[in-house]
Amino acid sequence: GAGVSQSPSNKVTEKGKDVELRCDPISGHTALYWYRQSLGQGLEFLIYFQGNSAPDKSGLPSDRFSAERTGGSVSTLTIQRTQQEDSAVYLCASSMGGLANEKLFFGSGTQLSVL
Amino acid sequence: GQSLEQPSEVTAVEGAIVQINCTYQTSGFYGLSWYQQHDGGAPTFLSYNALDGLEETGRFSSFLSRSDSYGYLLLQELQMKDSASYFCAVRDNYGQNFVFGPGTRLSVLP
Repeated sequence: GAGVSQSPSNKVTEKGKDVELRCDPISGHTALYWYRQSLGQGLEFLIYFQGNSAPDKSGLPSDRFSAERTGGSVSTLTIQRTQQEDSAVYLCASSMGGLANEKLFFGSGTQLSVL
Repeated sequence: GQSLEQPSEVTAVEGAIVQINCTYQTSGFYGLSWYQQHDGGAPTFLSYNALDGLEETGRFSSFLSRSDSYGYLLLQELQMKDSASYFCAVRDNYGQNFVFGPGTRLSVLP
C-alpha cells in the first residue's frame, strides 16, 4: 500500500478482554515498530521487528502484551486481559531497515479505550 | 539506557522564528531525528542529523552537536499550520529501536 495501515482505528473494550491490533507496513519495508502514546505524552517503544531476526521485545510493559509478524509483513499486537491503564493510542511504524535508514513511516494508530 | 529532554511547550507568533532544543544521553549514538505530530495525527519525519552541523529543508532546519549531545529544530516564517508537537529521537545503543523525547508542543499565534 501507499502507507502504513492500522486497524481498527478505534477499539473500545471491557476490562479483562483480549484485543488484537493490526499493522500493515509499507511494502518492502523490513523493519516494523510498535509504540504506545498516552494522551499528551511521548512515544513509548514496545517492540521492534527487523527481517527474520528475533524481535526486540524489551519495551513490552508486561507479559500480557505480545506481538508477531507473519511473513515479514503484517504484524499483530495482542493485549490479553486488558486493563484501564492500557488505554492509549498504539502506533505502528515501518522503515527500510538498516542503520542508514533513519526515516520511520507511521500509521494513523489505533485508539484503544478500556472501560 | 537513553534519555532525551525537550521543553514541554513553546509559543510564538506567525512569521517568527522558533528553536526547539533537544539534549540526549545515550550509550551509543547514530544520529538525531525530528518528527512532527498534529493533534490526532501520526508522527511524520522532518529531518535527520548524523554529523555535526546544520541541515536545511525549506523553512525547517536541524542542528546537531555530537560533542555537546545537543540538537535543535529551527522553524522559520512560522505558519499557523506549524502548531503541533515536535519530537526528537535517537536510535538505541544497539542501533535498533528508536527512543523518542517527551515532545514539545508548539503553539503558533496569529
